[in-house]
Amino acid sequence: EPEVTQTPSHQVTQMGQEVILRCVPISNHLYFYWYRQILGQKVEFLVSFYNNEISEKSEIFDDQFSVERPDGSNFTLKIRSTKLEDSAMYFCASSVGVLGKLFFGSGTQLSVL
Amino acid sequence: AQSVTQLGSHVSVSEGALVLLRCNYSSSVPPYLFWYVQYPNQGLQLLLKYTTGATLVKGINGFEAEFKKSETSFHLTKPSAHMSDAAEYFCAVSAQHRGSTLGRLYFGRGTQLTVWP
Repeated sequence: EPEVTQTPSHQVTQMGQEVILRCVPISNHLYFYWYRQILGQKVEFLVSFYNNEISEKSEIFDDQFSVERPDGSNFTLKIRSTKLEDSAMYFCASSVGVLGKLFFGSGTQLSVL
Repeated sequence: AQSVTQLGSHVSVSEGALVLLRCNYSSSVPPYLFWYVQYPNQGLQLLLKYTTGATLVKGINGFEAEFKKSETSFHLTKPSAHMSDAAEYFCAVSAQHRGSTLGRLYFGRGTQLTVWP
């Protein structure tokens, strides 16, 4: 079965640094998402992306966050200046359609020190 | 707004026993409901989903769930647990509401299922 690939699997960074989390969605999918899970908490929606623009974002997704699909295959999440509370597992997901099955990657564990 | 409550963060069953994982939802509009499973070091995988129509939904690996509107529930069951079912299970809801896209899922906290031999 096709899969969503995320790199790196673990990322450690210093507070205030910029990080870019990378995802390769499934090739024929049109909708892309980022979710995150802080340890011990629920998986939370961050942002959805369709037709090269953000279609919805949550209140978590503030000006420190941005997403991009730079080359038609990668889908990236950038955190401009990381905070301690950004430490979480970040999941990328993609789907064919808006009601389609979401395929999730295995996640990037981000640790902000 | 939508939300999900999963009763029981940990459930343990013996191999061959019934699996019952509970999920209650809150939604101001007709919901779409999902169960996802996460095995160690893997992403979330869709087990089954309810959108419209038949309220008893069958999924992969012998799991099924029943949408009960009157109880606002979507409990996940499997008649006979297998060792390979040990994983974390997440219930999720989405709905078309005030411009919210259906791809925005609201997850429960998850239930860790342990299966004893």
